[in-house]
Amino acid sequence: AAGVIQSPRHLIKEKRETATLKCYPIPRHDTVYWYQQGPGQDPQFLISFYEKMQSDKGSIPDRFSAQQFSDYHSELNMSSLELGDSALYFCASSSTGLWGYTFGSGTRLTVV
Amino acid sequence: KNEVEQSPQNLTAQEGEFITINCSYSVGISALHWLQQHPGGGIVSLFMLSSGKKKHGRLIATINIQEKHSSLHITASHPRDSAVYICAVDRGATNKLIFGTGTLLAVQP
Repeated sequence: AAGVIQSPRHLIKEKRETATLKCYPIPRHDTVYWYQQGPGQDPQFLISFYEKMQSDKGSIPDRFSAQQFSDYHSELNMSSLELGDSALYFCASSSTGLWGYTFGSGTRLTVV
Repeated sequence: KNEVEQSPQNLTAQEGEFITINCSYSVGISALHWLQQHPGGGIVSLFMLSSGKKKHGRLIATINIQEKHSSLHITASHPRDSAVYICAVDRGATNKLIFGTGTLLAVQP
């Protein structure tokens, strides 16, 4: 069965660079969630989209932006990267009316 | 006080032992998730439940909505079960999850 696909799996960037992370949800899932998990920390909710509209916003820095496209995939854009942005970024998808919440394997971002 | 609390935070067991990890929450929820994360790895969903009990292989998850408590049980534990087990609750409004702090399980051969 298809899972939530994230790309890239690993990414190394320098300070002040930009990065784009992609998430492809389960087919027919209409909601995408982004989470950030720093080293040794709990996952923290960043932002979510339902039917291409932002549905909720958490602790997402102003340097970050995200959107959901017509094919329901989502991209997290990160600018002016800082060392503290180094983390595992994972997305999850779900569908209203369907039972299930599926996580991607995550993108490990390292800022040097 | 965290909205989702797990116990214990760390657990070491011998291979074959029966393991229980507990999760208590203080908010209303629509569902509770048990997740597994291996060191440096992604998150795998083990169970999503809103009532009663679910079983998958050697894993059993139960939830008591009235008491706001859930347990994850592992029977006949194996070293490959070593991972962080995370309880997360879905409050239902926008379905974002609130995560517990996790339980680090080490099963020794």
